[in-house]
Amino acid sequence: TQLLEQSPQFLSIQEGENLTVYCNSSSVFSSLQWYRQEPGEGPVLLVTVVTGGEVKKLKRLTFQFGDARKDSSLHITAAQPGDTGLYLCAGDGTSYDKVIFGPGTSLSVIP
Amino acid sequence: EAQVTQNPRYLITVTGKKLTVTCSQNMNHEYMSWYRQDPGLGLRQIYYSMNVEVTDKGDVPEGYKVSRKEKRNFPLILESPSPNQTSLYFCASKVMGGLNTEAFFGQGTRLTVV
Repeated sequence: TQLLEQSPQFLSIQEGENLTVYCNSSSVFSSLQWYRQEPGEGPVLLVTVVTGGEVKKLKRLTFQFGDARKDSSLHITAAQPGDTGLYLCAGDGTSYDKVIFGPGTSLSVIP
Repeated sequence: EAQVTQNPRYLITVTGKKLTVTCSQNMNHEYMSWYRQDPGLGLRQIYYSMNVEVTDKGDVPEGYKVSRKEKRNFPLILESPSPNQTSLYFCASKVMGGLNTEAFFGQGTRLTVV
């Protein structure tokens, strides 16, 4: 069974701090996605990484896919209260178009 | 506006009383899916559908039914709800094409079974 683990589970930081959250698995994925879910809303896609070692930037967010395609990280520079939310990583499952999700990292940025 | 619409947003019901949560998308997506979200467990797939009249079980299908009679609609049916089905439910849709395609989620349905 493919599983995605995320750490930390909870993170509370002050505005302006930097942070990194991690998504790990013992399985190889052809690609990984990161979603952000705000309270009372459904998840929204942030990025898809498809190549081992790939780095993608989205304003203050930097996403990296591990060389072995078993892990990924999300780094946020100078966090803002608007970054508050649940960050979910998702990987392609064993059957076509199946997506599996990690449990998420709940981020709270305090003004 | 491209969207996935779920109804109702909130539902409190009693054990054993059949209920249906509706899901509709206006993007002509082939793939639709239902997830439940529980603390510490993330999103777990209940059922999915790759096209009209094509449905398949996800990871936690017990106690649920779905149908896909039209491309835009994918209702979730709980024939005899039980308290362990209390959860936050999300419907999602996307085009076919593996993980390189974006899944669009509804706003969620918070179900409480007492």
